[in-house]
Order: sequence, then C-alpha cells, then structure tokens
Amino acid sequence: DTAVSQTPKYLVTQMGNDKSIKCEQNLGHDTMYWYKQDSKKFLKIMFSYNNKELIINETVPNRFSPKSPDKAHLNLHINSLELGDSAVYFCASSPYGSRGTDTQYFGPGTRLTVL
Amino acid sequence: ILNVEQSPQSLHVQEGDSTNFTCSFPSSNFYALHWYRWETAKSPEALFVMTLNGDEKKKGRISATLNTKEGYSYLYIKGSQPEDSATYLCARPNNYGQNFVFGPGTRLSVLP
Repeated sequence: DTAVSQTPKYLVTQMGNDKSIKCEQNLGHDTMYWYKQDSKKFLKIMFSYNNKELIINETVPNRFSPKSPDKAHLNLHINSLELGDSAVYFCASSPYGSRGTDTQYFGPGTRLTVL
Repeated sequence: ILNVEQSPQSLHVQEGDSTNFTCSFPSSNFYALHWYRWETAKSPEALFVMTLNGDEKKKGRISATLNTKEGYSYLYIKGSQPEDSATYLCARPNNYGQNFVFGPGTRLSVLP
C-alpha cells in the first residue's frame, strides 16, 4: 500500500499550458505539503495545508494554486506554465504539521518538463 | 532566513569503511532536527527525528547525534555497504515549528 501517492509521475507539456498534479495520502494525516526540488537539487516548501486550510504559502507565484477537496488529497494546479517551472515536485504529509517534531512522509515525486 | 548547511557535499567511501557527515543549523528557536535518506529516483525516507541536546539515535548501522547549543548534528554510518549509497538530508523546522528547511544534502557513494 502506497502511503503518499502522486500522479502523474512524469509530465511533459508546452509553455503556456495549464496542468495539475494530484496527491493522495492514506495515512490519516492532517497536514499535506508541496515541495519543489529546484535546479540545485534543494527541496523547498511551496505550500502546506492543514485540514483543508492553507497555512503556509512560501511566496510562490500565484500561477500555482493548491486545492484540497478533503484532507487526504492536495492537488497542485499550475496555470500558464513557464520554462522555469520545470522541476520535480514532491508531495508530503505529516500527522499534525503544527509541531516541528512530526515526521513528513514523501510521495515519489512528479517530474514536470515544460518545453 | 533560516539556513541549514551540510558537509561534505559528496563523499565516496569503500565498502566496509565507516563515515560521518555534518548538518549545521541555527540553534535559536529550535524544535527538532530531522534526518532523511534519499535514494535516486525514490522519495526521501525518514531516518531520525531528534529534539533534545545530546540526543543519540541509532537504526542498524546508522546513528546520529545532536548538539542544539552549538547547532549541529552528525550522522554516522558504520561499515558502509553499497546499498547505503544515497543522499542524506537534514531538515530543521522554521522558527514557527511549521515547514521544514532542508539542507542541500550529502551524497554518499559506497564503492564495492
């Protein structure tokens, strides 16, 4: 059983398109996150959601919008894709999220390539 | 801005060697320090979460120590095996105890 799953695994698209990446966790966790692995391979937080409410938006362009239909899902919508959006995007979840001691569990990543 | 640093950036060791690497972080407003193991083409996998100064954690041949006063943690691998080859990440929650700030990782290659 996959704890945190993402779809698709690979996404290749043209500049200017709108795309979505889906994330689901079956761990019963309260908080979910989106990270971007940048060109230097750093993992950087984009968003976190606690019980369907956005609690952090780390100055991500508003072309990126997280949508959480329920606490098991956090989807990432990206409008007007740009070349610089090419990266690997990771979803994660943690039991509570408001405590720094919580382990975060990561999905397998989605490699987005914008042509 | 909270910065988490790791050294060395990469490391090559022979099978059977023991090795260690460092994670440095600001010691103020400390909540916890997390270590993750990240194999290529897989997702980061949690190794340890450490909270108290002087903490030592161990999982098999891997262990970690924590010094919150001076802001560093060491990860040790005893008798490295090729399957230990991975990037080892440390992360510290930000000053609000919420999102993680990850270090750049130490890429370990264990040669058979």
